[in-house]
Amino acid sequence: DIQMTQSPSSLSASVGDRVTITCRASQSISIYLNWYQQKPGRAPKVLIYAASSLLSGVPSRFSGSGSGTDFTLTINSLQPDDFATYYCQQSYSTPLTFGQGTKVDIK
Amino acid sequence: QVQLQESGPGLVKPSQTLSLICTVSGGSISSGGYYWSWIRQHPGKGLEWIGYISYSGNTYYNPSLKSRGTISVDTSKNHFSLKLTSVTAADTAVYFCARVGSDYSYYYMDVWGRGTTVTVSS
Repeated sequence: DIQMTQSPSSLSASVGDRVTITCRASQSISIYLNWYQQKPGRAPKVLIYAASSLLSGVPSRFSGSGSGTDFTLTINSLQPDDFATYYCQQSYSTPLTFGQGTKVDIK
Repeated sequence: QVQLQESGPGLVKPSQTLSLICTVSGGSISSGGYYWSWIRQHPGKGLEWIGYISYSGNTYYNPSLKSRGTISVDTSKNHFSLKLTSVTAADTAVYFCARVGSDYSYYYMDVWGRGTTVTVSS
């Protein structure tokens, strides 16, 4: 199985901050990497696929980068609606695997 | 707009079989080009992929289930289902169904159900 490791596990930030979350795969996954946002009591919502492609309707303050084993999700100018938990997920091979999540809360 | 809705018992006894259904509305499960997936989330924990099925019935499972899981599709009812046998307290979780879409070969879960909580307890 491909292990996905996110860092940090949690972070505190203020509205307007730039936030960066890192995801590392245990082996190369090319750009087969997705990012999801989950709010308490809700289902995850996909933000980015193929490492850097933004889903339609997702605000442009979200961006993704990386390839191989190292990936980054960046949120520029954090908004109140962005406080949530973020997960990376590899789609390179089955079993599909997720990172452990990064919780972004209000400083 | 495609929507998914999970249904099934919220309480299952240990050693019994957990059975859930995901009903697809706003689109046909037979339309092709998609996989239909189950994912679970243990209380306060991260996401675990259980498996998925294509509209034609090809299935892929997480080996962590140790062959206890079966996913099937019923095109006449426009739903797909999950059966998990020999459940234990470790199977207590929120179970989500999701559609797996793609852009070329890049697959992602683009539509999710709201999730259903299943507790395994006597």
